[in-house]
Amino acid sequence: EPEVTQTPSHQVTQMGQEVILRCVPISNHLYFYWYRQILGQKVEFLVSFYNNEISEKSEIFDDQFSVERPDGSNFTLKIRSTKLEDSAMYFCASSDGMQGETQYFGPGTRLLVL
Amino acid sequence: GESVGLHLPTLSVQEGDNSIINCAYSNSASDYFIWYKQESGKGPQFIIDIRSNMDKRQGQRVTVLLNKTVKHLSLQIAATQPGDSAVYFCAEKHGNNRLAFGKGNQVVVIP
Repeated sequence: EPEVTQTPSHQVTQMGQEVILRCVPISNHLYFYWYRQILGQKVEFLVSFYNNEISEKSEIFDDQFSVERPDGSNFTLKIRSTKLEDSAMYFCASSDGMQGETQYFGPGTRLLVL
Repeated sequence: GESVGLHLPTLSVQEGDNSIINCAYSNSASDYFIWYKQESGKGPQFIIDIRSNMDKRQGQRVTVLLNKTVKHLSLQIAATQPGDSAVYFCAEKHGNNRLAFGKGNQVVVIP
C-alpha cells in the first residue's frame, strides 16, 4: 500500500541552525502539506502546496519557513534559523487532488532544538 | 511515545465492547470531517471521513455520526480490540485545504 515517507525520523539541532525535513508523498498525489505537533498539543496546520506553489499557509508559517518540491518525488520543509519553540513532531501529508480530501500522513520527524 | 506528557480525556474499554469517542468542532461552515488514529511514535492514520451533507457513515467496525445542529462528531468502534488502543483525533476542513484537529482522546483497551 502506498504511503508517505519522511526523513530523518529524528533531528537534533542547535538554536539558530537551519534544518531541512524531507518527505516523499504518495506518488500520484497532487496536494502536499506540512503539519506540526508540539508535545502535549494538537496537530497544527502549517502549509499546503499545489502546482509548485503555496496554496495556503497558517500564521505559524512565517518567513523562517519555506517549502520546496525540488524534483518529482520529494517535498521539503526548511526552517532557516531554528528556535527552541520549533521543537515538535513535523508531519508531511498528501492528498490525491480534491481539495483537503483524505490527507494521508507520514510517520513524522521529531525535531529537537537545543 | 507520543502520549507521554499529554493530558487527554481517556476512555478505558473492555476488549470486545463498543467504544464511542466524541468531538465538538468549531466552525459551522466546515464541510468535511475526518477521524484519525495515532499510535505511539507514528503519524495520524486515516480511519473514516464524512461530508456535511451526511449524518452517518459506516466503515469496517467503525461508524461516524455527524450532528451539525450542535456541531458534534462521534466515532463508534464496534468490538474493540487491543490494536485499537491509540489516540483518536477528529479534524475538520477549514479553508481550501487545511485540516483543524481536535485535542484527541486516548482509548485504552483492557484485554
